[in-house]
Amino acid sequence: QKEVEQDPGPLSVPEGAIVSLNCTYSNSAFQYFMWYRQYSRKGPELLMYTYSSGNKEDGRFTAQVDKSSKYISLFIRDSQPSDSATYLCAMGTDSWGKLQFGAGTQVVVTP
Amino acid sequence: DTGVSQDPRHKITKRGQNVTFRCDPISEHNRLYWYRQTLGQGPEFLTYFQNEAQLEKSRLLSDRFSAERPKGSFSTLEIQRTEQGDSAMYLCASSDIRDNEQYFGPGTRLTVT
Repeated sequence: QKEVEQDPGPLSVPEGAIVSLNCTYSNSAFQYFMWYRQYSRKGPELLMYTYSSGNKEDGRFTAQVDKSSKYISLFIRDSQPSDSATYLCAMGTDSWGKLQFGAGTQVVVTP
Repeated sequence: DTGVSQDPRHKITKRGQNVTFRCDPISEHNRLYWYRQTLGQGPEFLTYFQNEAQLEKSRLLSDRFSAERPKGSFSTLEIQRTEQGDSAMYLCASSDIRDNEQYFGPGTRLTVT
């Protein structure tokens, strides 16, 4: 079993809808949680960075971390066709060092 | 400074040849990371530097792989005697010493024929 599990999708939503993404993990030592967006054949782009449990909001993006359930979420409000991409969750145990990534969820926002 | 840069963006090589990739991190970042990504998967950690010191290496990094970061600036990743299984996107990331926000470059796509 992988340390970080993420549904590969694709997840198709109409423009303007809320996109809901999530990851589960097994390693209770993870403390740092990130969401990246990756367009085809490009490098990942950091969207959200959170430490420990709680919520964080940045514009149309909200990240949630529930360490007791080992579950993290990303919500995208008012989705746009330009949000169509693969979304990767990533986690680390320390404020340095390697990140463990999920396999990514492909999101398609249709006009 | 506009971010992490990588060169080349795409490399095609024949099996058995050696290849070298370069990464230039964000200028004020002390930490530099290499990852490998195959189709349909998330990036997998290969190795990590703090300044010029290589602090961690994954078991994925076989003896054919070597990474350096002379003078704590740019880094190179060399693969010797390439195999078809080495075909992947090689990603470089950097972060500041204060946190683990890792910023990625555009990647080098390696194709071994």
